[in-house]
Amino acid sequence: DTGVSQDPRHKITKRGQNVTFRCDPISEHNRLYWYRQTLGQGPEFLTYFQNEAQLEKSRLLSDRFSAERPKGSFSTLEIQRTEQGDSAMYLCASSRSLPGTPLYGYTFGSGTRLTVV
Amino acid sequence: DAKTTQPPSMDCAEGRAANLPCNHSTISGNEYVYWYRQIHSQGPQYIIHGLKNNETNEMASLIITEDRKSSTLILPHATLRDTAVYYCIVGDSGGSNYKLTFGKGTLLTVNP
Repeated sequence: DTGVSQDPRHKITKRGQNVTFRCDPISEHNRLYWYRQTLGQGPEFLTYFQNEAQLEKSRLLSDRFSAERPKGSFSTLEIQRTEQGDSAMYLCASSRSLPGTPLYGYTFGSGTRLTVV
Repeated sequence: DAKTTQPPSMDCAEGRAANLPCNHSTISGNEYVYWYRQIHSQGPQYIIHGLKNNETNEMASLIITEDRKSSTLILPHATLRDTAVYYCIVGDSGGSNYKLTFGKGTLLTVNP
């Protein structure tokens, strides 16, 4: 297993354009998370899937953001009508949900760095 | 909001022990202390976690005070590759808890 893969690694887009990022989690992990990280800050939680169900969305996830995880496998995060404030690193992580499993089971990808110009 | 307080930056000489402190005075009885680190341009990576007892693994040691209000992550022989932002996170365990809440962490710079 090669870990959590994210594509692309870097994306530069013009303001107003739509962008889509992809995350391939570790195959046996049923939980998938998206985080956003801006310069100098720690990652901030955006949303979480258990299998194909999206169970929580942060208030940071405006209506322009949508995430999917069809068939409980890979996930996509789409940002519509991008704004300069969307410039950030978008991190995906996955974990296996077992009762009593501490939070050390997270495996993060290397992220997609989005720059909106 | 993060429930931990960490110094924004620390320096350490290569080969020496790096001791990273973390205050978590509002920790509750069923909450663990987790440490993750983030090397530049990579995602965070798990290091170690503990509840009450001190813990050691191949990467680091975790010392938790008896009152559990603070802890120290120890990298026994720091190398240049240990330069990273280190995050101390407090959280519950269990299937219903899934969210890691990161603060700003401590930027550890290991100098040659």
